[in-house]
Parts: sequence; structure tokens; C-alpha cells
Amino acid sequence: GDSVTQMEGPVTLSEEAFLTINCTYTATGYPSLFWYVQYPGEGLQLLLKATKADDKGSNKGFEATYRKETTSFHLEKGSVQVSDSAVYFCALSAQYNFNKFYFGSGTKLNVKP
Amino acid sequence: DAGVIQSPRHEVTEMGQEVTLRCKPISGHDYLFWYRQTMMRGLELLIYFNNNVPIDDSGMPEDRFSAKMPNASFSTLKIQPSEPRDSAVYFCASSLPQGEAFFGQGTRLTVV
Repeated sequence: GDSVTQMEGPVTLSEEAFLTINCTYTATGYPSLFWYVQYPGEGLQLLLKATKADDKGSNKGFEATYRKETTSFHLEKGSVQVSDSAVYFCALSAQYNFNKFYFGSGTKLNVKP
Repeated sequence: DAGVIQSPRHEVTEMGQEVTLRCKPISGHDYLFWYRQTMMRGLELLIYFNNNVPIDDSGMPEDRFSAKMPNASFSTLKIQPSEPRDSAVYFCASSLPQGEAFFGQGTRLTVV
């Protein structure tokens, strides 16, 4: 079945460091891919998305490229800030059942000043 | 729009009691989802609705759990009787067809 696997956390970085959170997926066809962010005490918020192969989603300095050949959608940011500390979830929705979302287990990011 | 609204934000109840969680989706969204989040199991999809009709309830853990959507602007998730292992954060989300999911702030349930 469809699924998402993302790197386990926590990930601890210093401010201005480069961030990569790995995400790979298993799905038939061409799913849509998402990154969500969850700040403490809040619900998940959409961070970025990509709906077809080779698309790059970007928002707030974060980027992720939909790689069909490696079934990956890694999240990157060139220079993290303390305010980026949160839990990040990779997710997919299936091509033939778009409105059913599959989430990864989440990766907690801690950014230290 | 105010977004997805869930109530209550926090609920503490005793084992064996009935618990009802409530959700108001974003107006115009056809899909509504209930998720449960725990440290051990992460984010689990319990059930989702399309146009008020349950489409997939395969994630509902036991018969103690039930969900309803009597109209387009309201849904409930009920646990009866509640058990300590039901303690979790329960999220409601809604979406348009082929759109991303918008989440509420969640209900933190503690069963003692």
C-alpha cells in the first residue's frame, strides 16, 4: 500500500545551519507530495507541495523537489532560524484517491541560537 | 474563514465515561478527516467523510469509536466507553476535492 518514510528525529541544528529532512514514499502511479509543519500546541499547517514529477515546492525558504526516479521528496532549507523549531511531516495523496492522505511519522527539528 | 474549529481543546475524563469531540470544517470543504496523534503511533487516519458520507473507517480502532457527520458543517467523534489508552491528540481536518488538508488545533484527550 501507499506509505511515507521519513528520517527519525530529533534533528538539532545551530541557527543558520543547512537543513535536510529525508522523505521517501511508496505509491502506485503519480501521487501528490506535501510537507506539513506542526508548531507546539497547534495543528498541522501545509508548508509546501508538489503535484507532479520534477516539480519543486517552496515556501518560507524551504524547498523540496519531487523525484520520481528515487521516490523522494526531501525537505531543505539553506539557513534555519530558531523559529523553525517544530515537527515536520512528509505526506502523500494517492493519484487515484487524492483525498486520502498518508503521513510520515514526523521529524522534530530543534534549532539552537 | 476561521479555519477548522475543534472543541474542546482539552478534555480530561475518567475511564469508562463517554467522550464526544466536535469539529466544524471550513465552509465549502467536501472532505472531513479525523486523525489521532500519539508519540508511539504518530498520526493515524481514523475515518474520513465525503459530502457527509463516511468513505473509509478502516482506521477506527474499535467499536468503542464512532463518528458522525449530520450536516456539512459539523462532525463528532465519540468514544464510549473511554479507556486510558485512548489518550491522545485528536485532529479534525477538511479539504476541497483534490486539495490539501487543513487541520484544526486538535483536542488533547486524557483518560484517567
